[in-house]
Amino acid sequence: EPEVTQTPSHQVTQMGQEVILRCVPISNHLYFYWYRQILGQKVEFLVSFYNNEISEKSEIFDDQFSVERPDGSNFTLKIRSTKLEDSAMYFCASSLYETQYFGPGTRLLVL
Amino acid sequence: RKEVEQDPGPFNVPEGATVAFNCTYSNSASQSFFWYRQDCRKEPKLLMSVYSSGNEDGRFTAQLNRASQYISLLIRDSKLSDSATYLCAVNPYNQGGKLIFGQGTELSVKP
Repeated sequence: EPEVTQTPSHQVTQMGQEVILRCVPISNHLYFYWYRQILGQKVEFLVSFYNNEISEKSEIFDDQFSVERPDGSNFTLKIRSTKLEDSAMYFCASSLYETQYFGPGTRLLVL
Repeated sequence: RKEVEQDPGPFNVPEGATVAFNCTYSNSASQSFFWYRQDCRKEPKLLMSVYSSGNEDGRFTAQLNRASQYISLLIRDSKLSDSATYLCAVNPYNQGGKLIFGQGTELSVKP
């Protein structure tokens, strides 16, 4: 069964550093998403992406964040200058229509 | 009112019990509805979509009440392996739309 994959599974970085989180969505899916979950809190939407552009972004997704689909398979989330409060689990998801399937996540720790 | 709200839990039930979770949503124009299961520190895994007519998948039954703006999940004959956090998710648009998650309800099934 096709699945969403994400790398790395864990990332530790220093405050102010740039990080890139990578995702490979399910191959025939059209819509791509990033969500985050701070420990003990709910899953929060960050951004959705369709047809090579952002279709919606949340208030969390400020100028420090960017997304890219550099080739036909990868979908990346870049955080330009990480803050302590960016420490969270980041989930990529993809969908063909409404139903979204999630990757295993990247646990980001900012020190 | 929160966009998506769930029973706080935790629910502690014996094996074999029937347990029901409710979830309310604030946007009456919401289009699609889902239950996800999340195991500790893992990604949300789709349990089932929720259709207007209600739907069943084995021991799991989901219902949607648009008039009262709530969805429910019923688990019959609980198994130890059902222990997890159950997330209600609402898509306010349609295909490609973001998911808005509730905070989750923790279920613990005891022998």
